[in-house]
Amino acid sequence: DAEITQSPRHKITETGRQVTLACHQTWNHNNMFWYRQDLGHGLRLIHYSYGVQDTNKGEVSDGYSVSRSNTEDLPLTLESAASSQTSVYFCASSEVAGGQNEQFFGPGTRLTVL
Amino acid sequence: GNSVTQMEGPVTLSEEAFLTINCTYTATGYPSLFWYVQYPGEGLQLLLKATKADDKGSNKGFEATYRKETTSFHLEKGSVQVSDSAVYFCALGGNAGGTSYGKLTFGQGTILTVHP
Repeated sequence: DAEITQSPRHKITETGRQVTLACHQTWNHNNMFWYRQDLGHGLRLIHYSYGVQDTNKGEVSDGYSVSRSNTEDLPLTLESAASSQTSVYFCASSEVAGGQNEQFFGPGTRLTVL
Repeated sequence: GNSVTQMEGPVTLSEEAFLTINCTYTATGYPSLFWYVQYPGEGLQLLLKATKADDKGSNKGFEATYRKETTSFHLEKGSVQVSDSAVYFCALGGNAGGTSYGKLTFGQGTILTVHP
């Protein structure tokens, strides 16, 4: 069955370190998204991609970057981790660009920055 | 821009009680509307959706009707179970051709706890 996976599931790091969170989908979807989930804020979009070599900033992109070299993967990098980036991170994917299309979510990565 | 306002939680109910979680939205045009559910320790799963005005989405006993006149998409279930305990998110899908195209805007989530 097609799926979307994230790794690691839990990560503890220190302020200032670079961290990369992996996202891999086997749906063959063009669109991929990264969100962070914080209490009282729901899910907020960090970055998204509509296809290989395409990346776009979301509403909370400062301090994060992504790259899309193939259809299956969209890694999220925290260039210099800050305590404010402690959160649960979700990756999602969907079919060709379209507001009506369901997004499929991964299980999440819980990141703690000390 | 697009926005979603969801009923404040947490909501605590007894088994077999009636559930309503309110959701209203602000958007231009004709967005699609979604309810997602998140069980403890898991990612979000689509619960139901509606793509045009007056559409009713339904799944697992849950229902929501797309009301354009009141810009609402309230989630309802006639008889909740302990297994329905989860976080529920209302979301709005961007319009074709707009800056939100292909993206979802989420409400803040409502925690539901159902007691036996």
